[in-house]
Amino acid sequence: QKEVEQNSGPLSVPEGAIASLNCTYSDRGSQSFFWYRQYSGKSPELIMFIYSNGDKEDGRFTAQLNKASQYVSLLIRDSQPSDSATYLCAVNRDGATNKLIFGTGTLLAVQP
Amino acid sequence: DADVTQTPRNRITKTGKRIMLECSQTKGHDRMYWYRQDPGLGLRLIYYSFDVKDINKGEISDGYSVSRQAQAKFSLSLESAIPNQTALYFCATSESGGAQETQYFGPGTRLLVL
Repeated sequence: QKEVEQNSGPLSVPEGAIASLNCTYSDRGSQSFFWYRQYSGKSPELIMFIYSNGDKEDGRFTAQLNKASQYVSLLIRDSQPSDSATYLCAVNRDGATNKLIFGTGTLLAVQP
Repeated sequence: DADVTQTPRNRITKTGKRIMLECSQTKGHDRMYWYRQDPGLGLRLIYYSFDVKDINKGEISDGYSVSRQAQAKFSLSLESAIPNQTALYFCATSESGGAQETQYFGPGTRLLVL
């Protein structure tokens, strides 16, 4: 079992719809969770992080964390073609070093 | 100017050659990282450094070495390049700060080993 799992996609949604990206992790001791966006050939850029159970909203983005189910998700409201990218989930499972373990990413395609 | 820079941005080399990838940052962060990214495998940690005198191996350090020349500079070397080291390499930085510690990535170096 991979430490951080994501569906590779592609996830295709129409413009204006809600895109839902999911991530599961194996280590129950994981402390914080990050979502990065990566355009093809570019570097990952941070969207947001979450470390408490529940929802965290930032503009059109909402991160949801359920530690009991070991599940974190990212919702993108009013999806735009410019949101088309690969979304990487990263997990901090070691509070001593704060190293991140990355999933392989989900490719999102927003259709105009 | 970019906060995290990497040089070169693209490099083609031959098997057996020694090459160095360089990373510099102006963010004032104490921690620096080197990752490689391969299709289907995601980002994998090669080495990380929490301070000039603190360097640690990541999950895939074999075939690589690093040098932290200064707080702001962290270099990755391939002593004898091989074709399966062809990948996209990223440097990242962070400021030590508990569970909320966030890593920021450089633009990447695309390396092709022939």
